[in-house]
Amino acid sequence: SQTIHQWPATLVQPVGSPLSLECTVEGTSNPNLYWYRQAAGRGLQLLFYSVGIGQISSEVPQNLSASRPQDRQFILSSKKLLLSDSGFYLCAWREVSRSNTEAFFGQGTRLTVV
Amino acid sequence: DAKTTQPNSMESNEEEPVHLPCNHSTISGTDYIHWYRQLPSQGPEYVIHGLTSNVNNRMASLAIAEDRKSSTLILHRATLRDAAVYYCILAVGGTSYGKLTFGQGTILTVHP
Repeated sequence: SQTIHQWPATLVQPVGSPLSLECTVEGTSNPNLYWYRQAAGRGLQLLFYSVGIGQISSEVPQNLSASRPQDRQFILSSKKLLLSDSGFYLCAWREVSRSNTEAFFGQGTRLTVV
Repeated sequence: DAKTTQPNSMESNEEEPVHLPCNHSTISGTDYIHWYRQLPSQGPEYVIHGLTSNVNNRMASLAIAEDRKSSTLILHRATLRDAAVYYCILAVGGTSYGKLTFGQGTILTVHP
């Protein structure tokens, strides 16, 4: 069965420090991968998506970057965190080789920048 | 991106059915209607999806209007564990790379 791992669950980082959040997927190959952020209340904002190794598309300009070094690994990074980077970060995947599929989400990382 | 409109909040009593509406008047012929729910401090969870016909699964039912401009998620007997934010999303076909655009969703409160 397919599973998605996302870590860490919570993170408190000072302003100006680097960031690396990792997401890995098991039980599927060549998935589409996504990073979302939920900044306040509800509503998820799509940050990045990837349709293959090394292929990253950004949805919004920001202080963050993403990389996909392996088929089932998706990393969200920042060189210097800002206060506004605080939020709930979610990784997700979809198997879009089929005509239509559901998305599966990780449990998220709660990032607080202080 | 095609957009959906949902009520901000709804309330229900435990053991009663809940009908969560969603309007998507700009839906195109290849867009699937997806529903997800998010419990506090967790990632969204897939509930159900459909294209034209009504759909049933172990979690819920999805009723899709004949013109596909609206749909309703039906929880047949609400429990306290169904309290969550429910998102109605259009899964756009074509070259959208499978992106799902989330709106604000509906906060469902279930009273004991």
